[in-house]
Amino acid sequence: QQQVKQSPQSLIVQKGGISIINCAYENTAFDYFPWYQQFPGKGPALLIAIRPDVSEKKEGRFTISFNKSAKQFSLHIMDSQPGDSATYFCAASNTNAGKSTFGDGTTLTVKP
Amino acid sequence: DVKVTQSSRYLVKRTGEKVFLECVQDMDHENMFWYRQDPGLGLRLIYFSYDVKMKEKGDIPEGYSVSREKKERFSLILESASTNQTSMYLCASLRRNTDTQYFGPGTRLTVL
Repeated sequence: QQQVKQSPQSLIVQKGGISIINCAYENTAFDYFPWYQQFPGKGPALLIAIRPDVSEKKEGRFTISFNKSAKQFSLHIMDSQPGDSATYFCAASNTNAGKSTFGDGTTLTVKP
Repeated sequence: DVKVTQSSRYLVKRTGEKVFLECVQDMDHENMFWYRQDPGLGLRLIYFSYDVKMKEKGDIPEGYSVSREKKERFSLILESASTNQTSMYLCASLRRNTDTQYFGPGTRLTVL
């Protein structure tokens, strides 16, 4: 049973374009929705996160949009740069449970 | 900065060998996790621990065991390595009642 579904599996965007990655979850007990960024040879690192009491969070070129009723959230990368090329994982967790469920990951390639 | 270190970046073992993967964190985090990462399958939780000598099975515990004798150290054990355990193994830690997991750089294990 996959509790967090992520799409697309891979994404190619031109420099300056918008990258959009989508996730859907099933468990309404989740209360924290982070995105992790992973560069080759490194472990994932937290990029940006949101809680379900807000519909959007923006940090620089990165924005999370959250739709509680649809149980969906997405990552938007504005003005995508080649340095953004990485694998992105969405996740969902319940703080009390102390663990996260991850999506399958999206490999983003930004072409110069 | 939180630092999570893993004992080896690359490891090559033979079928049937006993394999130990070590993880150490330096931020006094209560929770620690072992994941395996395979292309298209995301991060799958093998085991986690929320305290010394405590452990809980994740989604794919078969063929693995863990040990947590000290708070800072969490070990993953493959009792008898098999070729289908060839994968990237990631360790992570988390402070209790917070949400951000901190990952190590990973160990790429090849079982021949």
